[in-house]
Amino acid sequence: DAMVIQNPRYQVTQFGKPVTLSCSQTLNHNVMYWYQQKSSQAPKLLFHYYDKDFNNEADTPDNFQSRRPNTSFCFLDIRSPGLGDAAMYLCATSIPAAGREETQYFGPGTRLLVL
Amino acid sequence: QQPVQSPQAVILREGEDAVINCSSSKALYSVHWYRQKHGEAPVFLMILLKGGEQKGHDKISASFNEKKQQSSLYLTASQLSYSGTYFCGTERTTNAGKSTFGDGTTLTVKP
Repeated sequence: DAMVIQNPRYQVTQFGKPVTLSCSQTLNHNVMYWYQQKSSQAPKLLFHYYDKDFNNEADTPDNFQSRRPNTSFCFLDIRSPGLGDAAMYLCATSIPAAGREETQYFGPGTRLLVL
Repeated sequence: QQPVQSPQAVILREGEDAVINCSSSKALYSVHWYRQKHGEAPVFLMILLKGGEQKGHDKISASFNEKKQQSSLYLTASQLSYSGTYFCGTERTTNAGKSTFGDGTTLTVKP
């Protein structure tokens, strides 16, 4: 089945130790997103790729970086995780369709714990 | 500009109806609705585009009033499986990636 896959589902890291979260998709969608979601809050868009074009949200901290080596994969790098970065990180994909409907398909998320 | 959802929480008995509203202070191009269960990723329900759309499947439907810049999600004859947090996501343009989510409405359906 076509899907959005995130690995790992749970990630524990130490304060200040770089960590990378990964996302892959078999949907062949050209747009990929990274969201941060803290408990009882809405998902907050960090950045997205439209094909290879990277779009950073203005309030995304410099501590967060992203790479998209090809259509299928996208990575979220947190260079120096702080306690406040503990959250669920959601990857999503979409494709602008002929009807201009841009549904987002979410992966299961990676829950990051910072010790 | 984050859309505003109301109410923040709803508790229902199985079989009762609920309405969740999503409003924006800015003109909207589209509205998406998602349901998220605890510990899981959001799941897409439906998208409504400019033009005053109404959509629905099964007992869940939604409307989009672009003049009022608001959308409503209607859940009729609610089932236990409807429990979760409902988010609306709004887009102001056709550019991909500019969805902004509301803070969510937590729906609890009790037997």
